[in-house]
Amino acid sequence: KQEVTQIPAALSVPEGENLVLNCSFTDSAIYNLQWFRQDPGKGLTSLLLIQSSQREQTSGRLNASLDKSSGRSTLYIAASQPGDSATYLCGGANAGKSTFGDGTTLTVKP
Amino acid sequence: DTGVSQDPRHKITKRGQNVTFRCDPISEHNRLYWYRQTLGQGPEFLTYFQNEAQLEKSRLLSDRFSAERPKGSFSTLEIQRTEQGDSAMYLCASSWDTGELFFGEGSRLTVL
Repeated sequence: KQEVTQIPAALSVPEGENLVLNCSFTDSAIYNLQWFRQDPGKGLTSLLLIQSSQREQTSGRLNASLDKSSGRSTLYIAASQPGDSATYLCGGANAGKSTFGDGTTLTVKP
Repeated sequence: DTGVSQDPRHKITKRGQNVTFRCDPISEHNRLYWYRQTLGQGPEFLTYFQNEAQLEKSRLLSDRFSAERPKGSFSTLEIQRTEQGDSAMYLCASSWDTGELFFGEGSRLTVL
């Protein structure tokens, strides 16, 4: 059974700082890993999708990496802004469905 | 395309009542998923469909839960004889095969 862990559970940084969020998974037979953002009371918004054959994906200030052999993915956020404050979740897809971690709640202080 | 739509956004019901949620996926997507999320936790898988076929159902889903996707388009999730422990956000997502997942805004259930 796939288990996904996200560390840290919460993170508070000053505006402008670069930061890294971590995601680890137990079953390396994933076919993709996806990072999402969730604002309070809302659904999940897709940020980046990394296919199992890829090592990383970039979108604007976001860069996600995937290392299947070690069961890890990271989300790098450059030059953080207060608008980046949200909960970030990763989901590893295998056996037809995605399994999610509990997220990292990010607060970016002005 | 307007994305994944869920209705209602919020439902308050009394214990023992039945509730039904509807999800309209992105039109060209063949897969549709239901998840449940409680405060501070990540989404938990409930069930998924490929076209109209229900391919997997989590053991979390008791006999009080049923999901359908007639004609491979919209889906409904029904909870019978609701209990307070059913209070949660019910999230629907869709994808084309094993591609990128897109979520709706969720349906929040409060059982009094």
